[in-house]
Amino acid sequence: AQSVAQPEDQVNVAEGNPLTVKCTYSVSGNPYLFWYVQYPNRGLQFLLKYITGDNLVKGSYGFEAEFNKSQTSFHLKKPSALVSDSALYFCAVRRGGKLIFGQGTELSVKP
Amino acid sequence: DTEVTQTPKHLVMGMTNKKSLKCEQHMGHRAMYWYKQKAKKPPELMFVYSYEKLSINESVPSRFSPECPNSSLLNLHLHALQPEDSALYLCASSLPGATNEKLFFGSGTQLSVL
Repeated sequence: AQSVAQPEDQVNVAEGNPLTVKCTYSVSGNPYLFWYVQYPNRGLQFLLKYITGDNLVKGSYGFEAEFNKSQTSFHLKKPSALVSDSALYFCAVRRGGKLIFGQGTELSVKP
Repeated sequence: DTEVTQTPKHLVMGMTNKKSLKCEQHMGHRAMYWYKQKAKKPPELMFVYSYEKLSINESVPSRFSPECPNSSLLNLHLHALQPEDSALYLCASSLPGATNEKLFFGSGTQLSVL
């Protein structure tokens, strides 16, 4: 079965520090992996996707993600966190007509 | 226009009421989705429409009835809901048939069933 897992329910980071939100995947064949962000009382917003090619994917708002096939991971990263990055982050895998989400990681960035 | 618009933003209904949620997009997307999301949980897929035809129904109870009148509109008709149906209902759209395409989400309708 296609799935993704986010091992951390919450990540706390100080403003200006680098941040990482973890995601591992279990997918047969070529994975189509995504990161979405959800701000309070809003829908989900697309951040970035990995299809094929370069393992380092750059996305919106300064985020990037590294696809690691040997570790079956797709961690989301940002070099310098902002308070405004505080939100709920979802890793997802797309297969057929469905987008299958991880459980989500709540990122809290403190000043 | 890269927006998915959902109305109403908030809805309170009794268990005997009939109401409808509406979703609209003008991006030319031919795939549209309904998701249900509980607080701080991942969205759960309910229905997928592709070219105005229902292509996926994730075994959703019949008290939820989707409708896609045209390529820009998606409705979700609600009848005889239960309190546990209270949730954020999200609409999304994408290019159809392409597993590598991103979804565009609306801001959702926060539904409370009393």
